[in-house]
Amino acid sequence: QVQLAESEGGVVQPGRSLRLSCVASEFTLSHYGMHWVRQTPGKGLNWLTFISNHGDIEDYADSVKGRFTVSRDNSKNTLYLQMNSLRPEDTAVYYCVRGPSHGAFFFWGHGTMVTVSS
Amino acid sequence: DIVVTQSPDSLAVSLGERATINCKSSQSVLFSSNNKNYLAWYQQKPGQPPKLLIYWASTRASGVPDRFSGSGSGTDFTLTISTLQAEDVAVYYCQQYYSSPRMYPFGQGTELEIK
Repeated sequence: QVQLAESEGGVVQPGRSLRLSCVASEFTLSHYGMHWVRQTPGKGLNWLTFISNHGDIEDYADSVKGRFTVSRDNSKNTLYLQMNSLRPEDTAVYYCVRGPSHGAFFFWGHGTMVTVSS
Repeated sequence: DIVVTQSPDSLAVSLGERATINCKSSQSVLFSSNNKNYLAWYQQKPGQPPKLLIYWASTRASGVPDRFSGSGSGTDFTLTISTLQAEDVAVYYCQQYYSSPRMYPFGQGTELEIK
């Protein structure tokens, strides 16, 4: 069955960087668009970014535009999220999600916690 | 910005009874060229990621019990659980995926518990 496994998050100081990865298994990553979504503690869900199946289309929420970059290596069946200039308000559980552009989010990873704190 | 609002924020329903959750989008999510409503419902249990229940406003995802149903069109939508089971205790979110540029806003969530 479809599996998405995010890398370990952790505690990061404000202003620093962190790269998350998401390994896809039991399906061919190159066939699907992918998203990152985060969930702040006790609060709701927020879409962050989308990348098309071959990486030629990227899009970002205003809250992370210019700081976060999505990428993918289809040969490794892996999705990435490079997060720079992290802020305390970026503290959240981060999910990688399989889903098309303008489509529902069919499969979610288990999520990884990122805490931005000094 | 497009806003998606759910009501109520929390809901307590007796086992075997019907639960109804509402979702309203500030803009229509009905795409006239294919007559589809770009709206989904998700269920999230504690410590788990969200799980897709309904897409295109009324299509059940694979493996979702038929006690879950979605209805509505345009800006107003409803998720109904016909006979509440104990395992349905969760937070439910609606999401619209119509907007361009891409935004994919979620509702704030509705916490469903047993009365």
